[in-house]
Amino acid sequence: GQSLEQPSEVTAVEGAIVQINCTYQTSGFYGLSWYQQHDGGAPTFLSYNGLDGLEETGRFSSFLSRSDSYGYLLLQELQMKDSASYFCAVLEGYNTDKLIFGTGTRLQVFP
Amino acid sequence: GAGVSQTPSNKVTEKGKYVELRCDPISGHTALYWYRQSLGQGPEFLIYFQGTGAADDSGLPNDRFFAVRPEGSVSTLKIQRTERGDSAVYLCASSRGLENTGELFFGEGSRLTVL
Repeated sequence: GQSLEQPSEVTAVEGAIVQINCTYQTSGFYGLSWYQQHDGGAPTFLSYNGLDGLEETGRFSSFLSRSDSYGYLLLQELQMKDSASYFCAVLEGYNTDKLIFGTGTRLQVFP
Repeated sequence: GAGVSQTPSNKVTEKGKYVELRCDPISGHTALYWYRQSLGQGPEFLIYFQGTGAADDSGLPNDRFFAVRPEGSVSTLKIQRTERGDSAVYLCASSRGLENTGELFFGEGSRLTVL
């Protein structure tokens, strides 16, 4: 079967750092993406890891370890607007952007 | 338009009725994806098109669900004999295709409620 596990909810205060973990078990694996979704909105792309290691994009960083079937999203200098749901998603194969999404982590940022 | 457009944004129907949901992808994007999202869950893959053909329809839950993309642009998701369990937000996404970027561009979704 296919499974992507994430914590269901994380809370933090403004200015803090938070890490959202994702472990996966899928039939194929090519890379790991992260998406943000505000309530009632569309999922929006944050980052993609095709190789092991850290990818940094502004306040957000994402990490992948293929040997551990594990990745995380790191959010720094949290702002109230970062309150949203965050999804990891596995890219299963070559020559496709078909993604299998995790269950999502709801992040609440408090002042 | 600049983004993925989905219509209707909201659809309320009665059990047993037929429903069509439309998706207009970003111009030039050859790949188009349909997902379904229930409250508190992640998007669930239904089907994706590369051009006019369905490259992978393994996520369609049963034969009441069908999707077409006759000219390789706009797509329609069709649901026959709707059931209350079909209530969800149906998301459409597009990408340039065959690039393995992990990046999909999503529309705002069509919220389907089956009474």
